[in-house]
Amino acid sequence: RKEVEQDPGPFNVPEGATVAFNCTYSNSASQSFFWYRQDCRKEPKLLMSVYSSGNEDGRFTAQLNRASQYISLLIRDSKLSDSATYLCVVNMAGYGGSQGNLIFGKGTKLSVKP
Amino acid sequence: EAGVTQSPTHLIKTRGQQATLRCSPISGHTSVYWYQQALGLGLQFLLWYDEGEERNRGNFPPRFSGRQFPNYSSELNVNALELEDSALYLCASSLSRRQGGTGELFFGEGSRLTVL
Repeated sequence: RKEVEQDPGPFNVPEGATVAFNCTYSNSASQSFFWYRQDCRKEPKLLMSVYSSGNEDGRFTAQLNRASQYISLLIRDSKLSDSATYLCVVNMAGYGGSQGNLIFGKGTKLSVKP
Repeated sequence: EAGVTQSPTHLIKTRGQQATLRCSPISGHTSVYWYQQALGLGLQFLLWYDEGEERNRGNFPPRFSGRQFPNYSSELNVNALELEDSALYLCASSLSRRQGGTGELFFGEGSRLTVL
């Protein structure tokens, strides 16, 4: 099983659609989870951290399911500007472990069309 | 406040040569990370430095090496370049856990290395 696995997409959706990305991770002891966004030929930027209780930031909702070892990102009312690659990031170390163990998924490409 | 800066932006080398890439972290950040992003592939973790020490290393051969300087800037050296080393090399910085960091990485725009 890959350490961090995502559906590569691409997801092609119309403006206003709701789109969901899932990500699975292999280390059950992982403690930190993030979603990053990477625009074409640009550097990744943090979109949001993922907390155990789930968290929401405007149109974006992130959830964590520890039992099934997956993380999700939901985008509501998608905009043209949401077109990008969304990267799932997991700190594969357990609590107190090395913070250098951030593993990136290969990303899911989203294309929002007018 | 200046973000993470990397140089050079682009670098062209031939097989067998050596490449040096440089990174300046955000002021106050002591942790620096290096990632390789080859075309069509995800980010692959190379190295993590904190407080001048190498703390963790990804699954790359020894010809990939680096260091962190007292001012927390860092350089990545790639010796005996091979064609498959052609990639975007991204540097990121963060506050260390000791500094209360949450693990968020701030990336530079990257150095694109082409090996001919």
